[in-house]
Amino acid sequence: GENVEQHPSTLSVQEGDSAVIKCTYSDSASNYFPWYKQELGKRPQLIIDIRSNVGEKKDQRIAVTLNKTAKHFSLHITETQPEDSAVYFCAASFFTQGAQKLVFGQGTRLTINP
Amino acid sequence: DVKVTQSSRYLVKRTGEKVFLECVQDMDHENMFWYRQDPGLGLRLIYFSYDVKMKEKGDIPEGYSVSREKKERFSLILESASTNQTSMYLCASSPRGTSYGYTFGSGTRLTVV
Repeated sequence: GENVEQHPSTLSVQEGDSAVIKCTYSDSASNYFPWYKQELGKRPQLIIDIRSNVGEKKDQRIAVTLNKTAKHFSLHITETQPEDSAVYFCAASFFTQGAQKLVFGQGTRLTINP
Repeated sequence: DVKVTQSSRYLVKRTGEKVFLECVQDMDHENMFWYRQDPGLGLRLIYFSYDVKMKEKGDIPEGYSVSREKKERFSLILESASTNQTSMYLCASSPRGTSYGYTFGSGTRLTVV
């Protein structure tokens, strides 16, 4: 079935250190993998995404890597700052009934300690 | 520049009531989705629609129905609200044939008492 597993569920790091969140997906046909950040009381916002024809993508302090063979992808945040504290969701696309839908992981609550 | 609008931010309803959650998007997107968000469970898809009057079940459709009479509006209906439907409900939309540009609404926190 369509499934995305995300780990860890909570992550606490010291300010300035790096944080890594990992996800695995079930369908080898998935071709789009976005990451969303949700701050307290706000809507999820897209922060970075990667398509299946690319192995890595970077945007300033944020990077995402994709291993299609192993069906897993990861979010890397370097030089973490207090404003990085939020819940992060990974997702994978699944094509069905004329539409591409996103299936989300369970979420990771990231806390940056000053 | 809010592009996906959910009509209510907070709702409190009684068990057994029929509940309507409304979502409107102004981006001319074909696809619209309703998700439910619960701690530790992530976002779970309830229903989605890829065109007017078209609807498809997601992973957890039991106890819910939907309506898409106009392209810009997608309604989630709880036929008879129960306490286990207390949750945050998120609407999203995306262009035809793609998940790119998935945009979420602000969410409706529903409490069923």
